[in-house]
Amino acid sequence: DVKVTQSSRYLVKRTGEKVFLECVQDMDHENMFWYRQDPGLGLRLIYFSYDVKMKEKGDIPEGYSVSREKKERFSLILESASTNQTSMYLCASSPPSGGIYNEQFFGPGTRLTVL
Amino acid sequence: SQQGEEDPQALSIQEGENATMNCSYKTSINNLQWYRQNSGRGLVHLILIRSNEREKHSGRLRVTLDTSKKSSSLLITASRAADTASYFCATDTQGGSEKLVFGKGMKLTVNP
Repeated sequence: DVKVTQSSRYLVKRTGEKVFLECVQDMDHENMFWYRQDPGLGLRLIYFSYDVKMKEKGDIPEGYSVSREKKERFSLILESASTNQTSMYLCASSPPSGGIYNEQFFGPGTRLTVL
Repeated sequence: SQQGEEDPQALSIQEGENATMNCSYKTSINNLQWYRQNSGRGLVHLILIRSNEREKHSGRLRVTLDTSKKSSSLLITASRAADTASYFCATDTQGGSEKLVFGKGMKLTVNP
C-alpha cells in the first residue's frame, strides 16, 4: 500500500516560533507538494518539488520555505510562525507523468494552530 | 489560481439515493480528477478522466467530461452513509505540468 506520512496530526505553536512540518513518502515518487487548506478557500499550493534539492513556488509561498535533501522527505518550514498560518497542512506526492496521469497521494494532514 | 469550481457547495441526501456533483473549469486540460476527503483527513483519489474521454465508470462512480463546456460531473449511485465526505475536482494544465489545481470542494451528507 502506498504511504505518505506526516510527522504530526496536531501541532500547537507560539507566534514567532520556527516550525518544521515533515512529510515522508515510500513510493519513490519524484514529485512532492505542500498545500494548506482553509474553510471556503479549498487547497492552495504552497511549494512543489520535482526532484531532490529542486523546488518551485506555488500560489502562496510567502512566509514558508521548503527543504528536499532526500527523495522521500519534503519538509515545510515556517520561519517565524504567525496566527494567519493556523491551518490544515497537507502533503502529497506523485510519480512523473508528463502531466498525463498525475494522480496525487496525500498524507493525513497536520492541523497547525499558532497562538 | 482556482481552476475548478464544484457545484453545489453542499448536498444532503438519503441513503440509497444518487448524488450528482458538478465541476466547471476555465482553461484547457489534459485530465480532470475527483478526490474525496473524510472529515479531518487527507484527500483520496477516486477517478481520473482524460480530455479525450467523455465518460468513465468505477464501481458506483460515474464521471462525465464535456470539454466544450469545460465541465465535469461525478455521479455516486446508491449512496451510503460512508459516502459522507467532501469531494474535490482537480485539473492540471496542458503543457506537462505535474501540478493540480483543486476546486474549493463540496460537502456531501448521506443520511441513514
